[in-house]
Amino acid sequence: AQSVTQPDIHITVSEGASLELRCNYSYGATPYLFWYVQSPGQGLQLLLKYFSGDTLVQGIKGFEAEFKRSQSSFNLRKPSVHWSDAAEYFCAVGDFQKLVFGTGTRLLVSP
Amino acid sequence: KAGVTQTPRYLIKTRGQQVTLSCSPISGHRSVSWYQQTPGQGLQFLFEYFSETQRNKGNFPGRFSGRQFSNSRSEMNVSTLELGDSALYLCASSFSPRTSGRNTGELFFGEGSRLTVL
Repeated sequence: AQSVTQPDIHITVSEGASLELRCNYSYGATPYLFWYVQSPGQGLQLLLKYFSGDTLVQGIKGFEAEFKRSQSSFNLRKPSVHWSDAAEYFCAVGDFQKLVFGTGTRLLVSP
Repeated sequence: KAGVTQTPRYLIKTRGQQVTLSCSPISGHRSVSWYQQTPGQGLQFLFEYFSETQRNKGNFPGRFSGRQFSNSRSEMNVSTLELGDSALYLCASSFSPRTSGRNTGELFFGEGSRLTVL
């Protein structure tokens, strides 16, 4: 069965510091992997996606993620966090028609 | 280009009632998916429609149903509401090439309909 684990429920990062959000997945075939962000009262916005090819993918807002098959991981990174990045981040895996989401990581940004 | 529009944004119902939520996808998108988001269960897939046909269904009871119209707009219905149905219901649309019907992988989400069941 497909599953996604985001081990960190909350993370607090100082503004300007680097960020890494962890995501581990379980999937029977080559996974399609996604990171979404949700601001309060909003829907989800796609940050980036991995289908195949280069394992380091670039997304919007300065985010990147690296697919590591051996570790079944797809961690999200950003070199310098801005206060506007405070939100909830969801990792997801699935085929094109159905996604399985992790439980999310809430990012807090301190001044 | 207008985004995914969901109506109503907020609604309150009582147990035993039914509710219908509406979703208008991005113009040209033919696939519409529905997700339920709750603090306890997170984001869970309800169902997905393409060209008026349900292609995928999640593990929800039969009280949850949906449909898609010829203009790709979609509705979902929940009958005999229970307290546990209180949630944010998110609709997402995606582009599916006519030839294969497969999505390109990016789901565009609406802002959701927040249902409270009293």
